Amino acid sequence: QTVVTQEPSFSVSPGGTVTLTCGLSSGSVSTSYYPSWYQQTPGQAPRTLIYNTNTRSSGVPDRFSGSILGNKAALTITGAQADDESDYYCVLYMGSGIWVFGGGTKLTVL
Amino acid sequence: EVQLVESGGGLVQPGGSLRLSCAASGFTFSTYWMGWVRQAPGKGLEWVANIKQDGSEKYYVDSVKGRFTISRDNAKNSLYLQMNSLRAEDTAVYYCAKRSLTRYYFDYWGQGTLVTVSS
Repeated sequence: QTVVTQEPSFSVSPGGTVTLTCGLSSGSVSTSYYPSWYQQTPGQAPRTLIYNTNTRSSGVPDRFSGSILGNKAALTITGAQADDESDYYCVLYMGSGIWVFGGGTKLTVL
Repeated sequence: EVQLVESGGGLVQPGGSLRLSCAASGFTFSTYWMGWVRQAPGKGLEWVANIKQDGSEKYYVDSVKGRFTISRDNAKNSLYLQMNSLRAEDTAVYYCAKRSLTRYYFDYWGQGTLVTVSS
C-alpha cells in the first residue's frame, strides 16, 4: 500500500516563505510521478495550483512554485499572504491509472 | 467556461445504493478523461475512479473495487458513479473532476455532492 506523505500542519508569517513537501512511504518522488498541488479552503472545491511538478495553473500567482527537493516534491510559497491560509494537497500518478493523494497540509499564516 | 455540476447525493442506509451524476459543459466532454475524488468529513482528498474518453478504460481505488462503477454518456455530456454496498466509510463529499488533456492532473473540479451512509 503506497502512502503519500505530507506535513499535517505548517505555520508561516505574513511575507515569509514556506516549503511544503510530498513524499512516499517507500521510495523517492520524481517527475515521473507528475506531482500536482491543490489548494482548498473549508467548504470549497479544490483549486489547482501546480501540475507536472512545476507548472503553474492558469491564474495562479508566481509566489507559488513547485519543484523536486531531494526525494520529495515540494510546493514553495514566497511572500505568504493571509489568504494563502488553506489546506494543500499533493497527488501523485502511480501509473496503471492509479492516483494517490497525500493527507494534506493545513497552512496557517500568522 | 468549464462547469461541472454534481447531483444525486443524499442519505442512504448501509448496504444501499446511490448513483451520482456530473453534468459537464463548456468543453468537449468526449475528449477528456474524467474522474471522481471524495473527501470524508474533516479528512483529506481521496481519488476514487477515472474513466477514459470512450469508457474503454476504468480505474478504481482498491477500497471501492467491486462496489462502485464509473461510467459516462458522451452524448449527454455526463459522468456517473454507481455506488453499491455502501458503507459508513463511504460518507464523503464526492467531486467530479476533469483531467487535463495532455497532463496527469485535474484541471477543473465541481462543487461536490454529499453522500451520507447511515442508519
